[in-house]
Amino acid sequence: EVQVLESGGGLVQPGGSLRLSCAASGFTFSIYAMSWVRQAPGKGLEWVSIIGGIDGNPHYADSVKGRFTISRDNSKNTLYLQMNSLRAEDTAVYYCARRGGTYNDGIVWFGPWGPGTPVTVSS
Amino acid sequence: SSELTQDPAVSVALGQTVRITCQGDSLRNYYASWYQQKPGQAPVLVIYDKNNRPSGIPDRFSGSRSGNTASLTITGAQAEDEADYYCCSRDTSGNHNYVFGTGTKVTVL
Repeated sequence: EVQVLESGGGLVQPGGSLRLSCAASGFTFSIYAMSWVRQAPGKGLEWVSIIGGIDGNPHYADSVKGRFTISRDNSKNTLYLQMNSLRAEDTAVYYCARRGGTYNDGIVWFGPWGPGTPVTVSS
Repeated sequence: SSELTQDPAVSVALGQTVRITCQGDSLRNYYASWYQQKPGQAPVLVIYDKNNRPSGIPDRFSGSRSGNTASLTITGAQAEDEADYYCCSRDTSGNHNYVFGTGTKVTVL
């Protein structure tokens, strides 16, 4: 079964750091782009970051650029999100998802999704 | 940056048809994918590419695109279809960014 499972969320003070992990199974992890998407309480989905499968190139939403770093360890089938300089507005459930399709073709989708890991930034 | 706009809420009678729309400049050139999210659960992909459904998604879900608008249609809505629905596409900037729609709450009466 193709699945992903996030971990690492929790309560952190403003300005603090947190590292999220996403363990993947059931598919050839190394060839797929993987993404993080977040959802603030009572709000919609917001794309955060993506990392290429083959090229490993990272890309970020403007809201997190310079503060968050996405990475992957293909030997462990694991995706990471290092979050620094956290702000109250980063409070959300963070989802990991595999990307299907290709960006250049303009045909892209995300799935499966993990159950998410909650991050709360508060003093 | 790209934006995708959806109606905040729609309602449909049990067994009837409902269409959920998503508007944005990126949709003139790129296909939308659609996600269903029930309270307290992760999103689930229901439509991708031109009009493809992942395994396990009922065929009452279908997708289409015209101009700058993508649509998700539920034909013969069931009680279990009550959920939030989001569209998504790549952006128009070329920066390898993605954008989600504002979301539509579907209520089945």
